[in-house]
Amino acid sequence: GNSVTQMEGPVTLSEEAFLTINCTYTATGYPSLFWYVQYPGEGLQLLLKATKADDKGSNKGFEATYRKETTSFHLEKGSVQVSDSAVYFCALSDQGGKLIFGQGTELSVKP
Amino acid sequence: GAGVSQTPSNKVTEKGKYVELRCDPISGHTALYWYRQSLGQGPEFLIYFQGTGAADDSGLPNDRFFAVRPEGSVSTLKIQRTERGDSAVYLCASSFSPPGTGNEKLFFGSGTQLSVL
Repeated sequence: GNSVTQMEGPVTLSEEAFLTINCTYTATGYPSLFWYVQYPGEGLQLLLKATKADDKGSNKGFEATYRKETTSFHLEKGSVQVSDSAVYFCALSDQGGKLIFGQGTELSVKP
Repeated sequence: GAGVSQTPSNKVTEKGKYVELRCDPISGHTALYWYRQSLGQGPEFLIYFQGTGAADDSGLPNDRFFAVRPEGSVSTLKIQRTERGDSAVYLCASSFSPPGTGNEKLFFGSGTQLSVL
């Protein structure tokens, strides 16, 4: 079945460090791929998405590229800030359209 | 309000009791989803509504779980004979675009924390 696997957290970085959160997926067909973020005390919100192979989603300095050959959608940011501390969820949209989420990766950025 | 509203924010109940969780989606959003999130896990799909009808209820774990959306807006998730394993955060989300288009953007509520003692 369809599934999403993320690197385990927590990930702890210093401010201005480079961030990578790995995400790989298993799916039939060509799903859309998403990153959602959950800031402390808030609901999940869409960070970025990509709908087809080689698409790059970007938002707030974060980027992720849809790699069909490696079935990956790794999240990157060149310089993290304390305000980026949150839990990040990778997700895919299956053939029926519902989202299937990974287990989440907690990011903690220290000043 | 402008966002997805879920009530109550917290619900504590005893094993065997019946509970109802309410979701008020963003006005105009025809798609509504229920997810369940256990501690340290990602959200797990339960059911999806397009309008008034349940288009996909494949994620409901058993027949103790039921959801309705009678007027195509507010939805209620109902759990009968609650068990301790039902304890989780129940999330509701709504979307303007139907699923499968690749254009759907889900807006999530803050969830209802259900604790079954």
